[in-house]
Amino acid sequence: AAGVIQSPRHLIKEKRETATLKCYPIPRHDTVYWYQQGPGQDPQFLISFYEKMQSDKGSIPDRFSAQQFSDYHSELNMSSLELGDSALYFCASSRTGVNEQYFGPGTRLTVT
Amino acid sequence: AQTVTQSQPEMSVQEAETVTLSCTYDTSESDYYLFWYKQPPSRQMILVIRQEAYKQQNATENRFSVNFQKAAKSFSLKISDSQLGDAAMYFCAYRTALSGTYKYIFGTGTRLKVLA
Repeated sequence: AAGVIQSPRHLIKEKRETATLKCYPIPRHDTVYWYQQGPGQDPQFLISFYEKMQSDKGSIPDRFSAQQFSDYHSELNMSSLELGDSALYFCASSRTGVNEQYFGPGTRLTVT
Repeated sequence: AQTVTQSQPEMSVQEAETVTLSCTYDTSESDYYLFWYKQPPSRQMILVIRQEAYKQQNATENRFSVNFQKAAKSFSLKISDSQLGDAAMYFCAYRTALSGTYKYIFGTGTRLKVLA
């Protein structure tokens, strides 16, 4: 079965640089979620999109923005990167009527 | 706001034995969903089991079962016949049933070690 695809899997950036993370949900899934998991921490919700519209927003810094495109893939744009942004970023998708979310493998971002 | 608490940072179990991981939550809502996710060393988040709050029957998936106590706001995971492959971080998660937001709220996780 198709799963959530995230790219890149690993990303190394320097402070103050910009990063773009991509997420391709499971086919026919209409909702995408982004989570940030710091070292030794639980995943924290950042933002979600339903049918290409932002549906909820969590503790996402103003330096971050995201969108969902017409083909339902989503991108998380992160600017002015800080050391504290180093984390594993998960994308998850779900379909209306199905209560669970399916997670991608994550993008490990390291800011040096 | 809803909160999820996992009070056991780490647990150990002997292979083939049974272990129970605890999770409590706080909410004023009457309808919601609860999940257990497994995160092995690969860091992939894998759904283990889910429970709908309106269902009194405890969910079961093969060797995994839950003890859902709605009044006590408790949602524990029992793993029977533990296997080496069960070693992982386990996260309990809460999701509202209200429309508009379906984000997960996670607990801090329990690291499960399986001893051969």
